[in-house]
Amino acid sequence: QVQLQESGPGLVKPSGTLTLTCAVSGGSIKSNNWWTWVRQTPEKGLEWIGEVYHSGNTNYNPSLNSRVTMSVDTSKNQFSLKLTSLTAADTAVYYCSRERTYWGQGILVTVSS
Amino acid sequence: DIVMTQTPLSSPVTLGQPASISCRSSQSLVNSDGNTYLSWLQQRPGQPPRVLIYQISNRFSGVPDRFSGSGAGTDFTLKISRVEPEDVGVYYCTQASQLPYTFGQGTMLEIK
Repeated sequence: QVQLQESGPGLVKPSGTLTLTCAVSGGSIKSNNWWTWVRQTPEKGLEWIGEVYHSGNTNYNPSLNSRVTMSVDTSKNQFSLKLTSLTAADTAVYYCSRERTYWGQGILVTVSS
Repeated sequence: DIVMTQTPLSSPVTLGQPASISCRSSQSLVNSDGNTYLSWLQQRPGQPPRVLIYQISNRFSGVPDRFSGSGAGTDFTLKISRVEPEDVGVYYCTQASQLPYTFGQGTMLEIK
């Protein structure tokens, strides 16, 4: 059973950069799957941020494209999300997922000074 | 972007009775590979989403057979044959046929 666990800061400052990591266990990040980040807010619901393949190929949501970078660390079996130029609108629960089938528990990130 | 519209937004149901949720997409979800990447997710209170159905009608591992999915093109339905207490939560349809992937706004299933 694949398990995913997000980690990172719970509070970040406006205009700052958020870096989240998702540790994968029970399966290899080199499997034939895309590794995904999704965020959730009461206002906008679920929002797909983007996905990364173990080769490093990525697809991002155009609404966030210029601010998002995703990467994979195959040696640690984990993948990461970097989101820059944060505003209060980026406050959300961030989930990592394997193609929206297996999900992490989520991490609440608040953008505030 | 493909817009996913769910109805109803709230569904009060009596235990043991059926429930049905509809999802309509603004464009056909038939992918260039011929598959339709429409899934249904369940989110119980305080929990992450969990996949129930993928590619319209395939139940994910461990999902009870009271859950079923159907549809084609732009119109899809999730049915629960007999609602049980643990089915309370929010249900989402989501498409992965065209980037960026999108979600419906969610349907809250509650017990009458």
